Amino acid sequence: AQSVTQLGSHVSVSEGALVLLRCNYSSSVPPYLFWYVQYPNQGLQLLLKYTSAATLVKGINGFEAEFKKSETSFHLTKPSAHMSDAAEYFCAVSKTSGSRLTFGEGTQLTVNP
Amino acid sequence: EAGVVQSPRYKIIEKKQPVAFWCNPISGHNTLYWYLQNLGQGPELLIRYENEEAVDDSQLPKDRFSAERLKGVDSTLKIQPAELGDSAVYLCASSLSGQGIHEQYFGPGTRLTVT
Repeated sequence: AQSVTQLGSHVSVSEGALVLLRCNYSSSVPPYLFWYVQYPNQGLQLLLKYTSAATLVKGINGFEAEFKKSETSFHLTKPSAHMSDAAEYFCAVSKTSGSRLTFGEGTQLTVNP
Repeated sequence: EAGVVQSPRYKIIEKKQPVAFWCNPISGHNTLYWYLQNLGQGPELLIRYENEEAVDDSQLPKDRFSAERLKGVDSTLKIQPAELGDSAVYLCASSLSGQGIHEQYFGPGTRLTVT
């Protein structure tokens, strides 16, 4: 069975600071990995996905994530936080393309001025 | 391109009443998903359709929940009767199956409150 653990349900950073949101996964097969963002009262928007073509994945809004198989991690980073980045972020894994997504509990990111 | 459309956006009902949610996926997307999102948690899959066929409904509480996807396009999710614990956001998503990694596109969700 697959599972996702997001370390830290709440992360607070200052505007302009580095954003680091942690995600560890467990999967019996090479997984497909995703990061989604959810703004209040909205659905989930895909930030980036791991395609196995490269371990460093670049997404929208300046976010990127690095797949580390040895650490079973897929942490999300952004060099400089912006106020508009404040939202909830979910890491997700699926066994095959198009199959069910298993989500982590989410990390609420707060950006302080 | 229009996104995934869901209605209603909000619904308040009394317990034991029936309720239905509607989803229209992105045009051409043959895979449709219903997820349940409880407050402060990540979404959990209820059911996945490939065209008209439900191919993954292992997490759907079939005693009170039902879903259909007639003609392989729109879908309806129904709860009868609703319980207090059903209060949550119901998200619909769609994707295009085939070669490659196809991401799921989510609708805005229906927020259900059962009183």
